[in-house]
Amino acid sequence: GNSVTQMEGPVTLSEEAFLTINCTYTATGYPSLFWYVQYPGEGLQLLLKATKADDKGSNKGFEATYRKETTSFHLEKGSVQVSDSAVYFCALGTISSGSARQLTFGSGTQLTVLP
Amino acid sequence: DAGITQSPRHKVTETGTPVTLRCHQTENHRYMYWYRQDPGHGLRLIHYSYGVKDTDKGEVSDGYSVSRSKTEDFLLTLESATSSQTSVYFCAISGGGGNSPLHFGNGTRLTVT
Repeated sequence: GNSVTQMEGPVTLSEEAFLTINCTYTATGYPSLFWYVQYPGEGLQLLLKATKADDKGSNKGFEATYRKETTSFHLEKGSVQVSDSAVYFCALGTISSGSARQLTFGSGTQLTVLP
Repeated sequence: DAGITQSPRHKVTETGTPVTLRCHQTENHRYMYWYRQDPGHGLRLIHYSYGVKDTDKGEVSDGYSVSRSKTEDFLLTLESATSSQTSVYFCAISGGGGNSPLHFGNGTRLTVT
């Protein structure tokens, strides 16, 4: 079956540090890949996505590249801010009944950025 | 933000009682989903709907049922709540199957004592 393995947290960084959160996946076929972010007390928000191999998703300074050869989708940001403190989820998307998008999530990585 | 309202936002109930959580959307999206979030597990899919009266099971559907009688409402029912169903429940919606992203509500925190 499909699965997503994420770097375990929590991760604590100083402001302006470089961020990498590792994500690898196991899937049949050609899934789409996503990063979602969750702020305290809120639902998940889509951060970025990539739909095919070698695609790079980017948003708000975050980037991730869909690497089929290594089955990875690592999240990176060159200079984190305190406001980036949140939980980050990697997910893979497949199509199910009625063409519904079905997401399989990793366990999440808590990021804390200190001033 | 996608127009998704979950109710209630918090609920405490006793083991063995029935519980219904509601998800209401104002986006007229076809697809609706129920997930549960537990520490160390991320989010896991319970049930989803691809149209009025069209639903299917997800990864962790045992002990849950759903109904969708209108496009805008998707109900999740725990027929007889158990302590293992203590969790945060999220509803999500999506406009199209293809590469459309899911938009999530703010969650319902359910505690079963």
